[in-house]
Amino acid sequence: SQKIEQNSEALNIQEGKTATLTCNYTNYSPAYLQWYRQDPGRGPVFLLLIRENEKEKRKERLKVTFDTTLKQSLFHITASQPADSATYLCAAVGSSGDKLTFGTGTRLAVRP
Amino acid sequence: DGGITQSPKYLFRKEGQNVTLSCEQNLNHDAMYWYRQDPGQGLRLIYYSQIVNDFQKGDIAEGYSVSREKKESFPLTVTSAQKNPTAFYLCASTDPRGRGSSNQPQHFGDGTRLSIL
Repeated sequence: SQKIEQNSEALNIQEGKTATLTCNYTNYSPAYLQWYRQDPGRGPVFLLLIRENEKEKRKERLKVTFDTTLKQSLFHITASQPADSATYLCAAVGSSGDKLTFGTGTRLAVRP
Repeated sequence: DGGITQSPKYLFRKEGQNVTLSCEQNLNHDAMYWYRQDPGQGLRLIYYSQIVNDFQKGDIAEGYSVSREKKESFPLTVTSAQKNPTAFYLCASTDPRGRGSSNQPQHFGDGTRLSIL
C-alpha cells in the first residue's frame, strides 16, 4: 500500500542551526508533495508544495527538495528559531489524484 | 477573515450515543475533508466531498457518517458503531483546480477533541 514515512523521533537542534526533516514514500510515485506545520492542539498549516519535476522550492527560510530517484523529500529550515518548534507533516498525492496521504510528522524542538 | 470553523473544541460521548461534529467554511471551497488524528499516526481520511450533495468514503469510514447539503458545511457524525472514537478530528477544505484537488493546499480548522465518558 502507499506509504509516507517520517522520522518519529523528535529532532532537537540549537537556535541558528539548519533543521533538516525527511519524508520517504513507498509503493507509488506522487506528482506533488506538500509540507505542513502543526502546533499542539491546532490544525496543520500549509507551508510549501513541490511538484515532481521541481528539484527544489524555497520560501524565506524554508527549502524543500524532491528526489524521485531516492523517493524522498527533504525539508530544511535555515537559521532556526525557537518559534519554529512544532510538528512538521509531509503529505503526498495518492494515485487517484484527489486525496492526500499524510506522514506521521516529525516534532522539531529548537532550543535557545 | 476567511477560514474553517470547527465546533465544539472538546466533546464527550457516552456509550451508545451518536455525536455530531460541526465544520463550517467561508472560503467558497468546493472540496471538504474529515480526518482523524491519533498519537503516533498520520492523519487518516474518514470522508471527503468534492461537491455539494456528493461525498465518498475515505480509508476509515466505518462508524462515521457525513452530509453535504450546503457548500459551506460538512458535519461529521460519530455513531455508536465506532468503538474507538477517542481522537482529534480535523476538517479541511480546498479549492480544486484542474484534475483533482490534491495539487492545492488544504486549509484546516483547529479540530475537535472527542473523548469517551
